[in-house]
Amino acid sequence: DAKTTQPTSMDCAEGRAANLPCNHSTISGNEYVYWYRQIHSQGPQYIIHGLKNNETNEMASLIITEDRKSSTLILPHATLRDTAVYYCIVRAYPWGRRSSDMRFGAGTRLTVKP
Amino acid sequence: DGGITQSPKYLFRKEGQNVTLSCEQNLNHDAMYWYRQDPGQGLRLIYYSQIVNDFQKGDIAEGYSVSREKKESFPLTVTSAQKNPTAFYLCASIPSSGRGHNEQFFGPGTRLTVL
Repeated sequence: DAKTTQPTSMDCAEGRAANLPCNHSTISGNEYVYWYRQIHSQGPQYIIHGLKNNETNEMASLIITEDRKSSTLILPHATLRDTAVYYCIVRAYPWGRRSSDMRFGAGTRLTVKP
Repeated sequence: DGGITQSPKYLFRKEGQNVTLSCEQNLNHDAMYWYRQDPGQGLRLIYYSQIVNDFQKGDIAEGYSVSREKKESFPLTVTSAQKNPTAFYLCASIPSSGRGHNEQFFGPGTRLTVL
């Protein structure tokens, strides 16, 4: 199963775009890229997912490279409330019974500063 | 409102005692999961259940047990065999396995401290 690599931490100025990278060089054809975030001492929250096309929703945009080996989560106008740990996960579709389908790494700790 | 509830938010137990953490969902989801999170770490999968009366070990199942007698409930028992039980425990669910890109919904978590 594909694993992901993310920077341990990043800072971003309030009001600026936060660009969070994720490397998933061993991703396979049936695996999607998912992003979640976890605010301190709360459960993780789903943000967005994609296969190969760029995706956008009310929370963020997801840019996936053409070779699918990396992606970037973009928070267009970061606020102080976006300070959290962001997890990049690859998951097969249709996802099955393997425990690895639900594996979260250490993520990136994003700190938005005033 | 639908959601996942975990109770209590904070739990203290003496070493050597078994303790059961509650997880209930009213989302009509088929699959449920238990994760453990240690400070500064990611989530590690303890057990998961795709359907009632069936569950599978995750990556760190030793010292834990679960049951899935009802669709809505997936309690986790931390036994005295778990050598380092102090952690933040998260329960999650998704609508059904193998169908659609269903996002995983998480409960608020239970912080267990063993004294």
